Amino acid sequence: NAGVTQTPKFQVLKTGQSMTLQCAQDMNHNSMYWYRQDPGMGLRLIYYSASEGTTDKGEVPNGYNVSRLNKREFSLRLESAAPSQTSVYFCASSERQLAGYTFGSGTRLTVV
Amino acid sequence: LAKTTQPISMDSYEGQEVNITCSHNNIATNDYITWYQQFPSQGPRFIIQGYKTKVTNEVASLFIPADRKSSTLSLPRVSLSDTAVYYCLVGESNTGGFKTIFGAGTRLFVKA
Repeated sequence: NAGVTQTPKFQVLKTGQSMTLQCAQDMNHNSMYWYRQDPGMGLRLIYYSASEGTTDKGEVPNGYNVSRLNKREFSLRLESAAPSQTSVYFCASSERQLAGYTFGSGTRLTVV
Repeated sequence: LAKTTQPISMDSYEGQEVNITCSHNNIATNDYITWYQQFPSQGPRFIIQGYKTKVTNEVASLFIPADRKSSTLSLPRVSLSDTAVYYCLVGESNTGGFKTIFGAGTRLFVKA
């Protein structure tokens, strides 16, 4: 099925642990994004990649790093997880910046 | 950055037309307006995007007045399955980078 695939769907980390959230899209989209959503709140942009080979910070980049591995894949890394990073993380892609996004189903991350 | 304001919640009945308004007083020349729908435990789904005047697709219409300081998403004849959270997104892309602002969302509850 065409779309955006995120792995894992659920993860529990201890404070200080590291992990990488994976995202892949098969729609040949140029732009990819990582958002976080906290309870009762809208989505906040963490990082984005306008095109293969470029990445830029969004609204809330502190504590995160990203890699645009190729046109299909865009990963998000937490080097030293903190309880404040407990959230639902969504990856999205679009044909170009500002075109409608296609979102993945999310990764629910809990840091204890 | 243009901040968006939406009603927190709205109630409607099946078969009615629902209009959800988003205020974005500081919208910039380069900003587009996009609306998304989100069901629990799912990523947001693109509904419609516009820059000015009126845009219509198979599921919704988007009305944007001349001053562009607000926009209204119109859902014709809603059904129970339209119960969801609706987000207004104002985004710009310029030489300073790509920024998006999601509103807090409007929780629409459709009753039988």
